[in-house]
Amino acid sequence: AQSVSQHNHHVILSEAASLELGCNYSYGGTVNLFWYVQYPGQHLQLLLKYFSGDPLVKGIKGFEAEFIKSKFSFNLRKPSVQWSDTAEYFCAVMVNYGGSQGNLIFGKGTKLSVKP
Amino acid sequence: DTGVSQNPRHKITKRGQNVTFRCDPISEHNRLYWYRQTLGQGPEFLTYFQNEAQLEKSRLLSDRFSAERPKGSFSTLEIQRTEQGDSAMYLCASRHSGAATYNEQFFGPGTRLTVL
Repeated sequence: AQSVSQHNHHVILSEAASLELGCNYSYGGTVNLFWYVQYPGQHLQLLLKYFSGDPLVKGIKGFEAEFIKSKFSFNLRKPSVQWSDTAEYFCAVMVNYGGSQGNLIFGKGTKLSVKP
Repeated sequence: DTGVSQNPRHKITKRGQNVTFRCDPISEHNRLYWYRQTLGQGPEFLTYFQNEAQLEKSRLLSDRFSAERPKGSFSTLEIQRTEQGDSAMYLCASRHSGAATYNEQFFGPGTRLTVL
């Protein structure tokens, strides 16, 4: 079965620090990958997605992620974080086999706290 | 607001009672998903609909859970004889089932269930 691992449970950074959140998935076939963000008190929002093509994907608010097929990874990066990036970040894989069309399998999430 | 809406936002109930949640998807989206999120975990897939047809149910969805999507519009999720372990955030998401560019799932704000 597919699974998603997020390595860090809680990351604390100062403003302007660089961010990298790890995400690994287990599935040998074609994958669609997502990063969602949940700001305090708000619903899940899509940051970026990868379906095919350029493995370096740019999303909203200066975030990017790199799909490395050989490492089964889809790490999220931002060169300089802001206090407003404080949120919980979820990596997800879309299931695309059999009858399970379009279901998302999420990691446990990484809580990011940015100190002003 | 043209996003996914869910009602109620919060529900407190006593163990053994039945509860029903409602989800109104984005109007042109023919796929609707239900997820459950417990503390410290990412969302977990429960079930999904394509139009009015329920196409898959997770093993997390016990016999006490039932979901409907009459006429392929809004959906309801009912939990009968609630247990304390049912306490969680119940999330609804919708998406278009067309080409890859439409494959983003849009999430609602969720219904937080507390079973006393």
